[in-house]
Amino acid sequence: AQTVTQSQPEMSVQEAETVTLSCTYDTSENNYYLFWYKQPPSRQMILVIRQEAYKQQNATENRFSVNFQKAAKSFSLKISDSQLGDTAMYFCASRDIQGAQKLVFGQGTRLTINP
Amino acid sequence: DVKVTQSSRYLVKRTGEKVFLECVQDMDHENMFWYRQDPGLGLRLIYFSYDVKMKEKGDIPEGYSVSREKKERFSLILESASTNQTSMYLCASSFRGTIQIGEQFFGPGTRLTVL
Repeated sequence: AQTVTQSQPEMSVQEAETVTLSCTYDTSENNYYLFWYKQPPSRQMILVIRQEAYKQQNATENRFSVNFQKAAKSFSLKISDSQLGDTAMYFCASRDIQGAQKLVFGQGTRLTINP
Repeated sequence: DVKVTQSSRYLVKRTGEKVFLECVQDMDHENMFWYRQDPGLGLRLIYFSYDVKMKEKGDIPEGYSVSREKKERFSLILESASTNQTSMYLCASSFRGTIQIGEQFFGPGTRLTVL
């Protein structure tokens, strides 16, 4: 069974700083997808960024980028030039390409951006 | 604009009551999911459905049932609510198939309190 672990329950940085959220996962599959979701306070969960395991190039979406280390089963999220609106719970998730298309989530990291 | 809606944002019920949580999506997605979110545990899958009248147990189905009579609607039922079912409940939907990466779109959540 897949497992996803986020070892940082909470993080706090100053506005404009760069922050990295950690995520490790375990799967027996060779092809899978990895996701970072953001849940702002009292708002809906939204997708931040996704990575296909068969792609070696790290995904990037504006200020958000990932460091995908397949051999180490590590999938960290880097937020550059952090903004107050980045304050949220961040969840790492994985999904097999085949079979049931359910996501397995980590425990979440509460990120606070301070002015 | 894609949308997943849930019938209530906040719900307070008594122990032993039958509780219905409704979820509706307007994206013609085949897959629908029910999660519960608890601090330190992340999101855990209760049930999911990949087609009308189809359902699959997730990781924590005990004490819950589901119904999917129409493609756009997925209901979560607590047959006899208990205090340990106090939680945030999130509904999500996604396209089926491996061509689409299967990003899940989430509703705003229902915070259920069982007294």
